[in-house]
Amino acid sequence: NAGVIQTPRHKVTGKGQEATLWCEPISGHSAVFWYRQTIVQGLEFLTYFRNQAPIDDSGMPKERFSAQMPNQSHSTLKIQSTQPQDSAVYLCASSPRHAEQFFGPGTRLTVL
Amino acid sequence: GDSVTQTEGPVTLSEGTSLTVNCSYETKQYPTLFWYVQYPGEGPQLLFKVPKANEKGSSRGFEATYNKEATSFHLQKASVQESDSAVYYCALSDWGGRALIFGTGTTVSVSP
Repeated sequence: NAGVIQTPRHKVTGKGQEATLWCEPISGHSAVFWYRQTIVQGLEFLTYFRNQAPIDDSGMPKERFSAQMPNQSHSTLKIQSTQPQDSAVYLCASSPRHAEQFFGPGTRLTVL
Repeated sequence: GDSVTQTEGPVTLSEGTSLTVNCSYETKQYPTLFWYVQYPGEGPQLLFKVPKANEKGSSRGFEATYNKEATSFHLQKASVQESDSAVYYCALSDWGGRALIFGTGTTVSVSP
């Protein structure tokens, strides 16, 4: 009974490089959410999908960030031209219909 | 917009003493309220949720009552243990099960 799986757990990139973060939601959950966690800003919503369709990306920085959910078993968050201020823990959560969210362990992104 | 305000930490306690973490919220909608707990290196874990006003949620000895009139949802535990040391987050979501709005988190440290 695996929970939400996120890979990699840690990623280090150089400034200007691309980073792709992966999330495998709990089987049968219809919604997938992405959040970012930093010491300064706390837990911030980025974007979410329901039944693979993008529903709300109001928290996503308009440039450089994109998210996809090509099938029900995984979602990706891509950051182009990474900057030091993108350093954070990126959390993925999945949820059954209109219910509580279950979080993965997160991917710690460090941009040098 | 929606917001959640909770006790600023850190909160330091001795084993066997009681814990209260205050949480208040602002929303124009009819929210579901949550308490999450986060341990180092892990994502937030759901402690419990309360979808309806004037109802109580509980888990692992923790409890909170959804007070709609006071717009509060304070977390309480009568007797804490060292293993309760963690960061506790109050959060709300609208009825549609959309993004969680988190408080800033309260770090609780329990000494033996």
